[in-house]
Amino acid sequence: DIQMTQSPPSLSASVGDRVTITCRASRDISNFVAWFQQKPGQAPKSLIYSASSLHSGVPSKFSGSGSGTYFTLTISNLQPEDFATYYCQQYKAYPHNFGQGTKLVIK
Amino acid sequence: EVQLVESGGGKVWPGGSLRLSCAASGFIFDDFAMNWVRQAPGKGLEWVSGCNWNNSSRGYADSVRGRFSIFRDNSKNTAYLQLNSLRAGDTAVYYCTRGTRTDGMDVWGQGTTVTVSS
Repeated sequence: DIQMTQSPPSLSASVGDRVTITCRASRDISNFVAWFQQKPGQAPKSLIYSASSLHSGVPSKFSGSGSGTYFTLTISNLQPEDFATYYCQQYKAYPHNFGQGTKLVIK
Repeated sequence: EVQLVESGGGKVWPGGSLRLSCAASGFIFDDFAMNWVRQAPGKGLEWVSGCNWNNSSRGYADSVRGRFSIFRDNSKNTAYLQLNSLRAGDTAVYYCTRGTRTDGMDVWGQGTTVTVSS
């Protein structure tokens, strides 16, 4: 199975900051990586697919990069609505494992 | 409007069974793979199972393989997850999602809650 190691587990930042979350795959998965945002009590929301492509309606403040085994999600100009938990996921091969999640909190 | 609506959750005794349903609308159902993702209370997301458009390719998390079974009925625009030999550790909100081989998952349902307890 392909394991996804996400870091950091939690991240403290201020409104207006830019932050980066990383995910490492246990083997080469090309660009088969997605990123999701989840707020308390809500279903997750899909942000990015194919490592760097934004889903329709997702603002350009979110950006993804990477290929192979190393991937990043960057969020620019943090606003109060961006403070949430973020997950990466690989979909190269079953099982489509998620990373452990990163909780982004207001400093 | 693209929509996924889960149903079938509830409280069940350890060792029991449940069948979850995911009713799809607003898109061509058999153009997409379907997946189930769960979230235990206070925990992260766990991908549970997925199947391609015609049930010919199905995958499972190690934690549920041999106990859970995914299948879909394209004539009813519905995906299902059969949960057998349930354990306390299966207690979670179960989400249905649609996806493609190249673009991953894009649409999520609102979830249905499964509680395994005596």
